[in-house]
Order: sequence, then C-alpha cells, then structure tokens
Amino acid sequence: KQEVTQIPAALSVPEGENLVLNCSFTDSAIYNLQWFRQDPGKGLTSLLLIQSSQREQTSGRLNASLDKSSGRSTLYIAASQPGDSATYLCAVRPNTNAGKSTFGDGTTLTVKP
Amino acid sequence: NAGVTQTPKFRILKIGQSMTLQCTQDMNHNYMYWYRQDPGMGLKLIYYSVGAGITDKGEVPNGYNVSRSTTEDFPLRLELAAPSQTSVYFCASRLGQTGVGTQYFGPGTRLTVL
Repeated sequence: KQEVTQIPAALSVPEGENLVLNCSFTDSAIYNLQWFRQDPGKGLTSLLLIQSSQREQTSGRLNASLDKSSGRSTLYIAASQPGDSATYLCAVRPNTNAGKSTFGDGTTLTVKP
Repeated sequence: NAGVTQTPKFRILKIGQSMTLQCTQDMNHNYMYWYRQDPGMGLKLIYYSVGAGITDKGEVPNGYNVSRSTTEDFPLRLELAAPSQTSVYFCASRLGQTGVGTQYFGPGTRLTVL
C-alpha cells in the first residue's frame, strides 16, 4: 500500500526566504505526482504535476522535482511572500491503477511579513 | 467556466439522518472522485468513477454510496449519518484514461453530524 509522508507538518519563515517542502512515498511505481495548495476553508488548487518520466516542473516562483528511485519530491518556493501562506499537499498516482491517488497530510506554511 | 461545483457548502445532520452531497463538473471529464478530509489530515478517497455507469470503492467507502448516471454528475449519498462522518467532503474530476491530467477540485462541503 502506498504511503505518502510530508515533513514538516508546519513551517514558519520570514518573508523573502527561499524554502523547500518535502514529500516522500513508499512505492516508486508511480504514474505522476501532483502538488496542491489549500487555503483555509477552501478546496485544493493544483500547482504542478510531474509525470513519472519527468525530473521537474516549474511555474513562476515554484519548482517541483521528482526522484522516483528514492521516493521523493520537493517543492521549492523562491522569494516567499505572505500570500504563499497555505497548506501544501502532494498526491501520488500509481501506474497500476489510474484512478486512485494517495495524498500526504500536508505542510502548513506561514510566511511572516 | 464553472469547473467543479458542490452543494451544499455547509450542513448539520442529526445521527441517523440521510443526505446527498451533489457534485457537478462542466469540463466533460470522465474521471470523478469523492474525498473526505478530516482536520489536519490529507484526503482519503471514498469512491471514484471512470465514466457514466461505472463506480468503484476507494479507501474509506463504508457508510457511503454513489451513482454516476451522467458524465456531469456524481452525487454522494450518506444513508445513516454517524458522528464519524463529520468531515469536509471534496469532489474532484480529471480528464484522461491513463492517468495523465490534473485533478480539479470543488470548494467542498463541510458536514457536521451531531
């Protein structure tokens, strides 16, 4: 059974810092990995999706990397802003069953002005 | 473009009551999902559907039922509400037969069972 872990559970940084969020998974036979943002009381917004054949994806100040062999993904946020404060979740989709993603519990990020 | 819509946004139920959570998507996505999210936790898959007329259980299906009579709609039914079903419920959809494609989420339904 796939297990997805996100450490730390919470992170607080001053504005302007570069930071890395971590996502690890136990079964490397994945089809893709997706990073989401969730604001309090809201739904999930997709940030980046990395296919298993890719090493990284970039969107603006965000860069997500994937190392399937080690079961790890990182989300790098450059020059953090207070508006980046949210919970960030990663989700892994296996290549054995295209329907079922497994989610981590998320990292709650607070960027202080 | 509405995307994925869910109704209601909030609901309080008494133990033993029933209700249906509605989910509609206008993107012609074939895959649809229901998740629940408990406080401080990630999402757990309840049921999913790969197309109209086809549904399957996820990780935590007990106490729930679904149907998929159209591509657009994927309602989730709670028959006998229990306090353990207090949670936030999210519906999602995506396009693709083989796993490609971003999941799009609705805004969620916050359910409390007292």
